[in-house]
Amino acid sequence: QVHLEQSGAEVKRPGSSVKVSCKASGGTLSSYSVAWVRQAPGQGLEAMGRIIPILGTPNYAQKFQGRLTITVDKSANTAFMDLSSLTFEDTAVYYCVRSRFVGSHEGTYWGPGTLVTVSS
Amino acid sequence: EIVLTQSPGTLSLSPGARATLSCRASQTVGGNYLAWYQQKPGQAPRLLIYAASSRATGVPDRFSGSGSGTVFTLTISRLEPEDCAVYYCQQYGSSSAFGGGTKVEIK
Repeated sequence: QVHLEQSGAEVKRPGSSVKVSCKASGGTLSSYSVAWVRQAPGQGLEAMGRIIPILGTPNYAQKFQGRLTITVDKSANTAFMDLSSLTFEDTAVYYCVRSRFVGSHEGTYWGPGTLVTVSS
Repeated sequence: EIVLTQSPGTLSLSPGARATLSCRASQTVGGNYLAWYQQKPGQAPRLLIYAASSRATGVPDRFSGSGSGTVFTLTISRLEPEDCAVYYCQQYGSSSAFGGGTKVEIK
């Protein structure tokens, strides 16, 4: 069974950056879709972007183009989400998600979420 | 970019009732790459249905998905108290987007 462990909660100032990690156990990240989804307090789910590590090129939602970077360290079986130029509206729980099927982007495995709070 | 609209916003039904949740896409969802998730308070979402109608591992058979093109449905055939949750649809084809969610309440 694939388990995703995420880094701990963060408090950031407006204008700064945050980097959240997602370490997989029980299965590899390399050949599967790895996505990041966020959820602001009391709001719905928002897709941010995704990557298939073995292919290398990430796909970002238009809203996050230019300030979102998704990377994967295949040797460490760990994915990273780096979001810059933070505003108060970036306060949210950030989830990493891995697919079960090669070639699919369905979200079978979810991390527990990382709360990022943007506060002055 | 495909926009997903879910309805109703809230569904309040009695135990044992049938729940029908709708998800409409602004454009055809290629490959029927449409998923449904269940989210309970304080928890990460759980995949219920993928590829519009395939049940994920461990999901009770009272949950079923149907539809194609731009109109998709999640049906819960006999509501149980533990089905109280918010349900989201997601298209995951060339890009990814979620609907706004439907909250299911048990009377």
